[in-house]
Amino acid sequence: DTEVTQTPKHLVMGMTNKKSLKCEQHMGHRAMYWYKQKAKKPPELMFVYSYEKLSINESVPSRFSPECPNSSLLNLHLHALQPEDSALYLCASSHATTAGEETQYFGPGTRLLVL
Amino acid sequence: ELKVEQNPLFLSMQEGKNYTIYCNYSTTSDRLYWYRQDPGKSLESLFVLLSNGAVKQEGRLMASLDTKARLSTLHITAAVHDLSATYFCAVDNYGQNFVFGPGTRLSVLP
Repeated sequence: DTEVTQTPKHLVMGMTNKKSLKCEQHMGHRAMYWYKQKAKKPPELMFVYSYEKLSINESVPSRFSPECPNSSLLNLHLHALQPEDSALYLCASSHATTAGEETQYFGPGTRLLVL
Repeated sequence: ELKVEQNPLFLSMQEGKNYTIYCNYSTTSDRLYWYRQDPGKSLESLFVLLSNGAVKQEGRLMASLDTKARLSTLHITAAVHDLSATYFCAVDNYGQNFVFGPGTRLSVLP
């Protein structure tokens, strides 16, 4: 199984709502990532979890709260978002191969619209 | 601060032609990646380049890395329409940060 799954595929939420994005992989990868991608822009790294511990937080506002309950799951909790947070949220996972490469496998993304 | 640039940002080419996309980065890095993204889709990993002089090829695409010049190239040979997509390079700065270039939007015309 070489797949990263993300739910939901689409999400519309108001600025006062609380919602969560979910990412799952069963490849035994020990690093998982959240990215944000605005239209016609490159992805921007938000968070990195390595061995279920937060290793990188790219100065993301506290209205985004990541959680890694186990090595296969990664959540992104959303609260009090702003319309400018509307974007495609991508999850990825990686596991170093014996050659030392760190190929990232991306999920299909959750397209978020904040009204 | 790690900065990654790509050139060109837009590329329109005819089928059967060859072309090269360039990726420059500002600081020494651990790894360089190339990705493909189709409109409305997620990213697909193409290549991971680890060391100076590394060259990898897959089909009509070949990537190379010159760490001394802080330059990677993605060469397209005999382009076909199916290669139309946006291509991103990305640089991993020893785990400190991971930065994408702005992307090159490639359109291959019949």
